[in-house]
Amino acid sequence: ETGVTQTPRHLVMGMTNKKSLKCEQHLGHNAMYWYKQSAKKPLELMFVYSLEERVENNSVPSRFSPECPNSSHLFLHLHTLQPEDSALYLCASSQDSGGRMNTEAFFGQGTRLTVV
Amino acid sequence: AQTVTQSQPEMSVQEAETVTLSCTYDTSENNYYLFWYKQPPSRQMILVIRQEAYKQQNATENRFSVNFQKAAKSFSLKISDSQLGDTAMYFCAFMKPSNTGNQFYFGTGTSLTVIP
Repeated sequence: ETGVTQTPRHLVMGMTNKKSLKCEQHLGHNAMYWYKQSAKKPLELMFVYSLEERVENNSVPSRFSPECPNSSHLFLHLHTLQPEDSALYLCASSQDSGGRMNTEAFFGQGTRLTVV
Repeated sequence: AQTVTQSQPEMSVQEAETVTLSCTYDTSENNYYLFWYKQPPSRQMILVIRQEAYKQQNATENRFSVNFQKAAKSFSLKISDSQLGDTAMYFCAFMKPSNTGNQFYFGTGTSLTVIP
């Protein structure tokens, strides 16, 4: 247990469905991330929130919509996904400190998403 | 942009033996951190070891140690006395610290199997 909790663990959805992934961190961190993990590829950074402001969006399709209502919670809203969006979605948090200590990322267990 | 390369997609080692996983990275930054993460079948990414680029001494955590060659941009992980529980995917990661969202870059991973 790393202090980052993701729900649900597994999700199967049709291409016309709308669903949301949830991430919660209990570590007091000020930055949260969404990553997509596909087989044989590096982890793909999707979104970064620092102090609840989105600071990076790596050209992610608009069918993925993040929301960060506070520093402890992060959501990923999904709608009209494609089968190629099937992957493991990982949430992470870290403490942004401008290079000071203890800045590794802490990960949740991920949501295994299957789009049918 | 930063890139992280893990050239060994799969490796195996006999229990109690030593194995070394390779990682190289490319960056023009001078201040950065390097990490090795472990992802067992449970999918939770767990930090194994951390290295600050400004430290010349190689990091060590029990049976895990790194060989950090800054000039060569190499960061290999050595696992001594391998145990069955070490079977997992191992990801090398580069982190550029920032006050607006630490930027993490990951390799494609090495799948390690410890053979009884």
